[in-house]
Amino acid sequence: QKEVEQNSGPLSVPEGAIASLNCTYSDRGSQSFFWYRQYSGKSPELIMSIYSNGDKEDGRFTAQLNKASQYVSLLIRDSQPSDSATYLCAVNKITGGGNKLTFGTGTQLKVEL
Amino acid sequence: DTGVSQDPRHKITKRGQNVTFRCDPISEHNRLYWYRQTLGQGPEFLTYFQNEAQLEKSRLLSDRFSAERPKGSFSTLEIQRTEQGDSAMYLCASSLEEGADTQYFGPGTRLTVL
Repeated sequence: QKEVEQNSGPLSVPEGAIASLNCTYSDRGSQSFFWYRQYSGKSPELIMSIYSNGDKEDGRFTAQLNKASQYVSLLIRDSQPSDSATYLCAVNKITGGGNKLTFGTGTQLKVEL
Repeated sequence: DTGVSQDPRHKITKRGQNVTFRCDPISEHNRLYWYRQTLGQGPEFLTYFQNEAQLEKSRLLSDRFSAERPKGSFSTLEIQRTEQGDSAMYLCASSLEEGADTQYFGPGTRLTVL
């Protein structure tokens, strides 16, 4: 079992629709959860972070966390072509005082005109 | 507040050569991380510094890899006797110890070993 699992996609949604991206993790001791967006050939860019169960909204983005189910998701409302990218789910592991991130393989999102 | 910077952005080298990459973190960020990313995969943790102390190294970091952060500011990652399997994007991230310890990534150095 992978430590962080994501559907690789591609996930195709029409412009203006809601895109739903999902992620599961195996380590119940994980404490912080992050979504990064990565355009082809570029580095990861932080989109959202979430630490407690429930929803967290920031503009068109909503992160959802369910620690009991070891599940974290990202909703993108009113999807735009510029949202087309790979979305990486990352989970922290506190080791030696630092927060090493463990990433999933990413979900490719395509927003179609 | 400038972001994380990395140099060079691209490096092409021949197998067996040594290469060194530099990372300058966001100013006042005392934590610095190195990750490696290959095509179709998420970034994989390599090593982590808090100030000048290297506190953790992944098993991925063979003895050909060495990292330093001599004054707790910039960091270097050296790969000796490069192999074709070392071809990847090398990413640096930095964070503040306090708070959420959110990591911000630099633009990466893309290494191609011929």
